[in-house]
Amino acid sequence: EAGVTQSPTHLIKTRGQQATLRCSPISGHTSVYWYQQALGLGLQFLLWYDEGEERNRGNFPPRFSGRQFPNYSSELNVNALELEDSALYLCASSLEGQGGEKLFFGSGTQLSVL
Amino acid sequence: AQSVTQLDSQVPVFEEAPVELRCNYSSSVSVYLFWYVQYPNQGLQLLLKYLSGSTLVKGINGFEAEFNKSQTSFHLRKPSVHISDTAEYFCAVTRSGGYQKVTFGTGTKLQVIP
Repeated sequence: EAGVTQSPTHLIKTRGQQATLRCSPISGHTSVYWYQQALGLGLQFLLWYDEGEERNRGNFPPRFSGRQFPNYSSELNVNALELEDSALYLCASSLEGQGGEKLFFGSGTQLSVL
Repeated sequence: AQSVTQLDSQVPVFEEAPVELRCNYSSSVSVYLFWYVQYPNQGLQLLLKYLSGSTLVKGINGFEAEFNKSQTSFHLRKPSVHISDTAEYFCAVTRSGGYQKVTFGTGTKLQVIP
């Protein structure tokens, strides 16, 4: 069974550009989560989608947005990139999005903003 | 809102020695607690979780953690570490109930010295 897959593995952009990151959850999982992992800051919660709806959002500016498609895959869009957006972006999925569930993580997309 | 603190950013320990990685949480309501491990260039994997019941939780790879409500702690322990345990370990907390985000600590890098 395939795990959570993320693409691209690496992404290099310049300041002001837009970045699109993609995530495919484990088959049968309806919940997709996005986290930002910047050096020394641990994982910062970005967004949570379940059944196509945004269920929860972290303390990030509106230029961080996303969506979930009918097949439960998800996109994270970052507009007007800033240098401090450079980080590893991790996607995770779970079966139903209920409390206490195990999160399955992908290997991440390393975004570098120059 | 809940939060989690990992006081030690790095913990060096000799191979076959015991280790304890500390985690303290803050929440005014009932919580679920987790430990995840991240090996280099990989996503996170669940080590163990506490939802309810016995306060001593056993996980994979010989790790265990004890939930202490009075001290609001959930420390991770292993009686004898191996080189392969070298990784970053994240404590996480979420509230019970639906669509509650999982909040991660800043991580502890465990370095096992041969």
